[in-house]
Amino acid sequence: NAGVMQNPRHLVRRRGQEARLRCSPMKGHSHVYWYRQLPEEGLKFMVYLQKENIIDESGMPKERFSAEFPKEGPSILRIQQVVRGDSAAYFCASSPPGLAGGNNEQFFGPGTRLTVL
Amino acid sequence: GQSLEQPSEVTAVEGAIVQINCTYQTSGFYGLSWYQQHDGGAPTFLSYNALDGLEETGRFSSFLSRSDSYGYLLLQELQMKDSASYFCAVKGGSGGYQKVTFGTGTKLQVIP
Repeated sequence: NAGVMQNPRHLVRRRGQEARLRCSPMKGHSHVYWYRQLPEEGLKFMVYLQKENIIDESGMPKERFSAEFPKEGPSILRIQQVVRGDSAAYFCASSPPGLAGGNNEQFFGPGTRLTVL
Repeated sequence: GQSLEQPSEVTAVEGAIVQINCTYQTSGFYGLSWYQQHDGGAPTFLSYNALDGLEETGRFSSFLSRSDSYGYLLLQELQMKDSASYFCAVKGGSGGYQKVTFGTGTKLQVIP
């Protein structure tokens, strides 16, 4: 059973370009989370999605950032008109559907390192 | 909202025991998790506590006191490979949505 997959692993963009980050959750997982991490810092929550639904996007900037998790295919985090401050590692995690009292283990992908020149 | 506090850095000697503390604030508490992240790597799950007490998994143990909104991760027989960042994460909320919030992480350096 393959783990969470993210691609690309490294992405270089010039200011003003668009960045598309993809995440394929583990098989059977219907919950996807996106986090951003700056060097030497913690994981900052961005967005939580279930299939075709955004459940919580409270951590995502209102402008330039969007996320989706379509019925078929990977989850996409899209950053339009990137700026240097967007340079970071972006991690995707997935978890299975479960009861409220269940283990909240999230399985993380290897991350996409975005560098904006 | 949710918030967590944990020390930013800890240094310990190989073979020793180290405890990493975490205090949290949340409404509708469900559980406290711990994750390990090596430099350049992805976070990996270590443990989850929903009830008070100590959970042991090999050299690692995790403790929770819900009344004190406090938990800790205990690492025994430290090895050099344990040098990593350790994050606590609280699951809380109300209704059908339980949000998970991560702390800022504790960087553990194991020295010979």
